[in-house]
Amino acid sequence: AQSVTQPDIHITVSEGASLELRCNYSYGATPYLFWYVQSPGQGLQLLLKYFSGDTLVQGIKGFEAEFKRSQSSFNLRKPSVHWSDAAEYFCAVVRGATNKLIFGTGTLLAVQP
Amino acid sequence: GAVVSQHPSWVICKSGTSVKIECRSLDFQATTMFWYRQFPKQSLMLMATSNEGSKATYEQGVEKDKFLINHASLTLSTLTVTSAHPEDSSFYICSASYPGRKETQYFGPGTRLLVL
Repeated sequence: AQSVTQPDIHITVSEGASLELRCNYSYGATPYLFWYVQSPGQGLQLLLKYFSGDTLVQGIKGFEAEFKRSQSSFNLRKPSVHWSDAAEYFCAVVRGATNKLIFGTGTLLAVQP
Repeated sequence: GAVVSQHPSWVICKSGTSVKIECRSLDFQATTMFWYRQFPKQSLMLMATSNEGSKATYEQGVEKDKFLINHASLTLSTLTVTSAHPEDSSFYICSASYPGRKETQYFGPGTRLLVL
């Protein structure tokens, strides 16, 4: 069965520091992969997605993610974190032809001044 | 583009009453909408898939008679929590996808339900 793992429940970084959030997936075929961000009490905003092609994808707000098939990973990165990036980040994969999203458990990002 | 709204943003109701939550795609037509439930500090749990003009498809363990879903038009889906109880208190989020691009979902801002 398809699954998504986000190993880090909580991460704290200093403002201006680089960020990498980890995501591993379990899926037989080439997956459709997503990163969403959720601010407190809000819905989810799509940061970026990977379907095929270039394995390094650019998203909004300066985020990027790299698909590595050999590692079954789709890690999210940002070179310099801003205080406004503090939020919860969810990695997700589409489950087959149903187009149902399977979410990871989320990583809560805190940004120190 | 791809804006999804929900109404109300929060609601408080008494135990035993029913509550209706609306999900609208504002700038596109959505043949498919999804309803999720999120408990505090947890991930999203898919409750059901709502298809315009047909019955919703519920995930295992979700009570169909408890959570009524209606997708009467291409821009509106509603979730009615019937005979609500305190354990139904949660954050409910809907999403919608473009026809022909169903793999990408756009989420509403969520509705917080508190049942007293």
